[in-house]
Amino acid sequence: QLQLQESGPGLVKPSETLSLTCTVSGGSIISSGYYWGWIRQPPGKGLEWIGSIYYSGSTSYNQSLKSRVTISVDTSNNQFSLKLRYVTAADTAVYYCARETGGDYYILYWGQGTLVTVSS
Amino acid sequence: QSALTQPASVSGSPGQSITISCTGTSSDVGSYNLVSWYQQYPGKAPKLMIYEGNKRPSGVSNRFSGSKSGSTASLTISGLQAEDEADYYCCSYATSSTYVFGTGTKVTVL
Repeated sequence: QLQLQESGPGLVKPSETLSLTCTVSGGSIISSGYYWGWIRQPPGKGLEWIGSIYYSGSTSYNQSLKSRVTISVDTSNNQFSLKLRYVTAADTAVYYCARETGGDYYILYWGQGTLVTVSS
Repeated sequence: QSALTQPASVSGSPGQSITISCTGTSSDVGSYNLVSWYQQYPGKAPKLMIYEGNKRPSGVSNRFSGSKSGSTASLTISGLQAEDEADYYCCSYATSSTYVFGTGTKVTVL
């Protein structure tokens, strides 16, 4: 059974960079047809897709966040990562990593989510 | 990319059917039959309920069904049960391998 687990600091200061890593177990990140993505959810609000990456390194980003986001992949450690620069309080959210099914475009596997708070 | 529009809340009595709408544009819902629906309980990760508009993953009750007309997708829950009380989100493929989620709907079982 595929499992995804987010890890990283739970508190980030304003203007700094939020960094999270997702470790994939029970399957290889080098899987044809699957993309590895990040979705976030501010407290009490809805889901927002951030972006995703293919094992080859090809990325897609939400246009509204594109200037501040970088998603990278580490195939040797079966991990992918999110960096969000110049964070503000509006970036406070539960961040989920997930596996997206390319072609059919749905998300079957999700991590449990990790709360990141932006505060000084 | 603007969020897809869903009603904030929908309610129904046990055994009834309810429908949640999800309105997009010609850039997302209207152009692709690639709408998925997710159920989310408080404090939990979302769970896939419907994909490609009307397909159910293994293990999802056949009380859940999806449809689409133009730029509006819909999720119908028939035979409403107490365990269906949750938040529901639609999601559509948009251009250039991106996704857009709906605003979310809270389902209450009366």
